[in-house]
Amino acid sequence: GIQVEQSPPDLILQEGANSTLRCNFSDSVNNLQWFHQNPWGQLINLFYIPSGTKQNGRLSATTVATERYSLLYISSSQTTDSGVYFCAVLLMDSSYKLIFGSGTRLLVRP
Amino acid sequence: NAGVTQTPKFQVLKTGQSMTLQCAQDMNHEYMSWYRQDPGMGLRLIHYSVGAGITDQGEVPNGYNVSRSTTEDFPLRLLSAAPSQTSVYFCASSYPGSGELFFGEGSRLTVL
Repeated sequence: GIQVEQSPPDLILQEGANSTLRCNFSDSVNNLQWFHQNPWGQLINLFYIPSGTKQNGRLSATTVATERYSLLYISSSQTTDSGVYFCAVLLMDSSYKLIFGSGTRLLVRP
Repeated sequence: NAGVTQTPKFQVLKTGQSMTLQCAQDMNHEYMSWYRQDPGMGLRLIHYSVGAGITDQGEVPNGYNVSRSTTEDFPLRLLSAAPSQTSVYFCASSYPGSGELFFGEGSRLTVL
């Protein structure tokens, strides 16, 4: 089955710093999502980005489907950015099961 | 626009008790599903439904029942709770073919 790998597994930043999170996937996909799980456990949709680049405030994401990777950029990080960032691919069979990467745990220090 | 709404957010049960986790969505999504999230195990699919009257099992269905009588609602029932069902439960919905899944805020269940 499809494999989704994320790096780095852990990241500590000083507030104001920038960072890049990476997501590699093993097979061709036509969908990819980024989620942020905040310290309260909520899963928040960040981007649906099967290809190309999207930006939302200080966050942006780029997916290069032909090379099987996606990047999440966080600029001018804030303490509220702390949490775990997941990328995930949706299996387009009847189960619509979401295959998650193992996540990048981000801690932003004030 | 409420999106996907789960209730309750927190619940403590004793072993053997039954309960229902509620999930409702107001986006007219045909597809709905339940996941559980456990430390070190990631999110695992419990049950899913591709439309009213249709349900199917995911990876870890044992101990859980579901039904889908309306497009909007997809309740998850624990018939006889066990400590192994202590977890955080997420409901999700999607429009088939869209490739994008939307999650509720989660329900944290503790079984003593």
